[in-house]
Amino acid sequence: SYELTQPPSVSVSPGQTARITCSGDALPKQYAYWYQQKPGQAPVLVIYKDSERPSGIPERFSGSSSGTTVTLTISGVQAEDEADYYCQSADSSGTPVFGGGTKLTVL
Amino acid sequence: EVQLVESGGGLVKPGGSLRLSCAASGFTFSSYSMNWVRQAPGKGLEWVSSISSSSSYIYYADSVKGRFTISRDNAKNSLYLQMNSLRAEDTAVYYCARPYDSSANDAFDIWGQGTMVTVSS
Repeated sequence: SYELTQPPSVSVSPGQTARITCSGDALPKQYAYWYQQKPGQAPVLVIYKDSERPSGIPERFSGSSSGTTVTLTISGVQAEDEADYYCQSADSSGTPVFGGGTKLTVL
Repeated sequence: EVQLVESGGGLVKPGGSLRLSCAASGFTFSSYSMNWVRQAPGKGLEWVSSISSSSSYIYYADSVKGRFTISRDNAKNSLYLQMNSLRAEDTAVYYCARPYDSSANDAFDIWGQGTMVTVSS
């Protein structure tokens, strides 16, 4: 089955830039999406179609794509950004697939 | 306000059944595909099932195929998940989720608060 691979954890100091990667063979052909999930809450979509930002999402969140890797970048990280982040895409049949998640720790 | 509200979770014994519901409001429910996504305690997100707007297309994760059935009632703005032959590994918070684009089923911009399903003897 198709897999998306994320690092389990990323740590960054406040004000610094956090980069979370997601790798998958089909990413050159399928869009990627990113979600933020805080403890006890439902996920929130923060990036769609690789790099588009939904309304209400701060400009410090951005997405990019290069080959089989997509990256979520959070510039000027704030304490409130500490959360789990999941990438999502689709396999060859269009079935949604989630990455394993990355815990972002703000030091 | 666009909203999804799940219900029907609870404690069930292995081999048992449960039916989850998701009530939608604030948008034209009949125009959107809908999904169930689950999250086991301390684990990541797992897509479970999708159903197209008119119920013509239905898909399941391999882990639930043959045991779970997704359905919807557009007249009642409701989504359902019938879960049979439940196993301990089905223990999770179950979310219903709506895609942001009514013409596709890719990213999910609206999520319910989730309903907990615990399978244990």
